[in-house]
Amino acid sequence: DTGVSQDPRHKITKRGQNVTFRCDPISEHNRLYWYRQTLGQGPEFLTYFQNEAQLEKSRLLSDRFSAERPKGSFSTLEIQRTEQGDSAMYLCASSVGSNQPQHFGDGTRLSIL
Amino acid sequence: DQQVKQNSPSLSVQEGRISILNCDYTNSMFDYFLWYKKYPAEGPTFLISISSIKDKNEDGRFTVFLNKSAKHLSLHIVPSQPGDSAVYFCAAIAPGVGSSNTGKLIFGQGTTLQVKP
Repeated sequence: DTGVSQDPRHKITKRGQNVTFRCDPISEHNRLYWYRQTLGQGPEFLTYFQNEAQLEKSRLLSDRFSAERPKGSFSTLEIQRTEQGDSAMYLCASSVGSNQPQHFGDGTRLSIL
Repeated sequence: DQQVKQNSPSLSVQEGRISILNCDYTNSMFDYFLWYKKYPAEGPTFLISISSIKDKNEDGRFTVFLNKSAKHLSLHIVPSQPGDSAVYFCAAIAPGVGSSNTGKLIFGQGTTLQVKP
């Protein structure tokens, strides 16, 4: 399977803990995106990388959120001091260009107890 | 502000008939639109796209129509099949600043399509 891979698929944690998610994009895709989806809503943009450079962050991304793509391949999204409102599906997508379809992984569902 | 809107949360259609899913947008700078399908516990899957220089794009059973003056697009599925039952998202690529274009997507809220056998 050469699609976008996300790990873990599910994460349950207590409020205040730190969590980290990983995304492996399609290998030839230089663009990588993180989105967050809550129940009944469409995905909302969080941040975007072109190769290893993080070029845009949404205002939704508070200081507790950080994302990296150290070698322009896989990416990690870390949430520090998790809050109840962080419970959501975190989706990763990749593409080869700005006007090309993004291909999504199956997401990481985060539940905060 | 919701720049991409799907005003029908759900749609039920009989197998073999046409499904029409609608989407409205507010930003006249949007010039590329996509439809995604999402099954439970899976990520969105790309279906079909359309550039603003076209008013129609067709791929098999799926056709997307774009009416720029009305800022409206629709997805037609003909004939509808039970396997088409899913949540459908309309999305637009956000315009960039100057010559840059991040390609980030702005999604509607989704429409749940149920195709009855």
